[in-house]
Amino acid sequence: QVQLVESGGGVVQPGMSLRLTCAASGFTFSQYGMHWVRQAPGKGLEWLAVIWEDGTNIKYADSVKGRFTISRHNSDKTLYLQLNSLRAEDTAKYYCAKARYNSGDFDSWGQGTVVIVTS
Amino acid sequence: EIVLTQSPATLSLSPGARATLSCRASQSISNYLAWYQQKPGQPPRLLIYDASNRAAGIPARFTGSGSGTDFTLTISSLEPEDLAVYYCQQRFSLYSFGQGTKLEIK
Repeated sequence: QVQLVESGGGVVQPGMSLRLTCAASGFTFSQYGMHWVRQAPGKGLEWLAVIWEDGTNIKYADSVKGRFTISRHNSDKTLYLQLNSLRAEDTAKYYCAKARYNSGDFDSWGQGTVVIVTS
Repeated sequence: EIVLTQSPATLSLSPGARATLSCRASQSISNYLAWYQQKPGQPPRLLIYDASNRAAGIPARFTGSGSGTDFTLTISSLEPEDLAVYYCQQRFSLYSFGQGTKLEIK
């Protein structure tokens, strides 16, 4: 079955960087788009970024464009999110999610990794 | 940017009751709408895609309907395990979520 496992979260100071990783298994990773979605404490879901199958088509939410970078390594079945210039408002649980085939719905989700930005 | 507005914010119903959750889009999104269920402490789970198609393994008591700007998720007969926050999500223009409807079971 599909499994997505995020890692790389932690506690950082404002202005610092982190790289989140999502290890995928149970499906042909190279054939699916992948997304990052976050959820601030007690708040709703916020879509952040998508990278399609071959990594050439990438889109970002305006809130993170220019600060966050999504990438993937199909041979390793791994998805990444580089978070730069972190702000307090980036504090959240970050989920990776698999796109439903040829679609933009999210049909599988990881358990998430927590990022806390605090001075 | 397409804004999704969900109502009500909170819904409190008894087991066996029918729940009706609404999602309205700021512009027409055809049928490019999905519904997710998020139980406490868990990631979201896809319930409905393309407005009315149940995802794999989703019980038949969950039904989605609508197109254009107005969409509905109906839970025909509430079970205690349906306690959750429900989100709608559009994929017509990039991606965005509604703010969620919290379903409480009395």
